[in-house]
Amino acid sequence: AQSVTQPDIHITVSEGASLELRCNYSYGATPYLFWYVQSPGQGLQLLLKYFSGDTLVQGIKGFEAEFKRSQSSFNLRKPSVHWSDAAEYFCAVASGWDFGNEKLTFGTGTRLTIIP
Amino acid sequence: EAGVVQSPRYKIIEKKQPVAFWCNPISGHNTLYWYLQNLGQGPELLIRYENEEAVDDSQLPKDRFSAERLKGVDSTLKIQPAELGDSAVYLCASSLTGRTEAFFGQGTRLTVV
Repeated sequence: AQSVTQPDIHITVSEGASLELRCNYSYGATPYLFWYVQSPGQGLQLLLKYFSGDTLVQGIKGFEAEFKRSQSSFNLRKPSVHWSDAAEYFCAVASGWDFGNEKLTFGTGTRLTIIP
Repeated sequence: EAGVVQSPRYKIIEKKQPVAFWCNPISGHNTLYWYLQNLGQGPELLIRYENEEAVDDSQLPKDRFSAERLKGVDSTLKIQPAELGDSAVYLCASSLTGRTEAFFGQGTRLTVV
């Protein structure tokens, strides 16, 4: 069965500093990987996804993530965070992308706090 | 374009009472999902629809939970009777197909007292 681990429950970063959120996955085949952001009281918004090809993917709001198969990781990065980036971040893996097989498994999330 | 609309946003009920949540997906989206999000956890899939058909309901506790998607558009999720442990956020999402990006609604926060 697939699984996702986000080892950091809570991270605090100063505004303007760089950010890296960790994500490790477990899945036997080629994974489809996602990062979502959830602001308080809001639904989830897709930041970026990896299906195949270039292992460095660019997303919205200046985020990027790098797929490293050898480390089973898909870490999210941003060079300079803004106060508006404070939110909960979820990494997710899909078991497949064929009709009838698509299913997202989410990690437990990392809460990001931004300090002035 | 309107996003996924869920109602109500908040619901407080006493245990053993029934409750229903409603979801209106993005127009034209054939795939609809209901997720359960417990406090401090990531969302977990309850049920997935392709048009009117529930193609994955393996995680839906069928003794008390039921769902329907009439005419392949709106969907309702019902709990009867509710238990204290059902307190959570219930998220609805939709996508064009099972292969495309899922868009999430704001969720319904259920509190069972």
